[in-house]
Amino acid sequence: SALTQPPSASGSPGQSITISCTGTSDVGFDTYVSWYQQHPGKAPKLMIYEVNKRPSGVPDRFSGSKSGNTASLTVSGLRAEDEAEYFCSSYTGSNNWGFGGGTKLTVL
Amino acid sequence: QVQLVQSGAEVKKPGASVKVSCKASGYTFSSYGINWVRQAPGQGLEWMGWVSTYNTNTNYAQKVQGRVTMTTDTSTNTAYMELRSLRFDDTAVYFCARERWELGYASDIWGQGTKVIVSS
Repeated sequence: SALTQPPSASGSPGQSITISCTGTSDVGFDTYVSWYQQHPGKAPKLMIYEVNKRPSGVPDRFSGSKSGNTASLTVSGLRAEDEAEYFCSSYTGSNNWGFGGGTKLTVL
Repeated sequence: QVQLVQSGAEVKKPGASVKVSCKASGYTFSSYGINWVRQAPGQGLEWMGWVSTYNTNTNYAQKVQGRVTMTTDTSTNTAYMELRSLRFDDTAVYFCARERWELGYASDIWGQGTKVIVSS
């Protein structure tokens, strides 16, 4: 995958965690980074688009940022229902889009 | 409400073809393209391609180029993904998703997924 994520992350309820997504130098990564949450057996859900924007209905505990070639998803005030797998996605060039390998978030 | 409803699970033999449908409702179908994404068992998400619902333009991932065809039927608000010459490693859950250009081309509505099993 052109997008690299850590395979796992964990935190206790109430804590904050940050998941990273290291991308390419493609100009698309400057703008078109999105994050999806997926619970087991369910379809992905859009949590962040355009690096740091939240769709309506997504709690403001979820935030996105980017520095250089690394985008990040931060979940503040962890809750049990945040336990899921998180995927970053971005334009990877040549009219292709890609996903990171996914990060399984465990709420301890 | 806005939703995408996909066709049911399929079991196919290697070398066969499968065609998955994705019916949209609750919005103007021709306003947004459809992405197709698959997920092999225990694996991550893999973007397969995109089809325009406005002019039928397509854009396929290199990995499936030549074996996949994505189409739409605006009379029934349905998108289709056909994958030919199936291989064992095509076993996966296949999702359709609405692409929103206003959201940086992110996919905001997803179908429930269609499980395709390739088995001899």
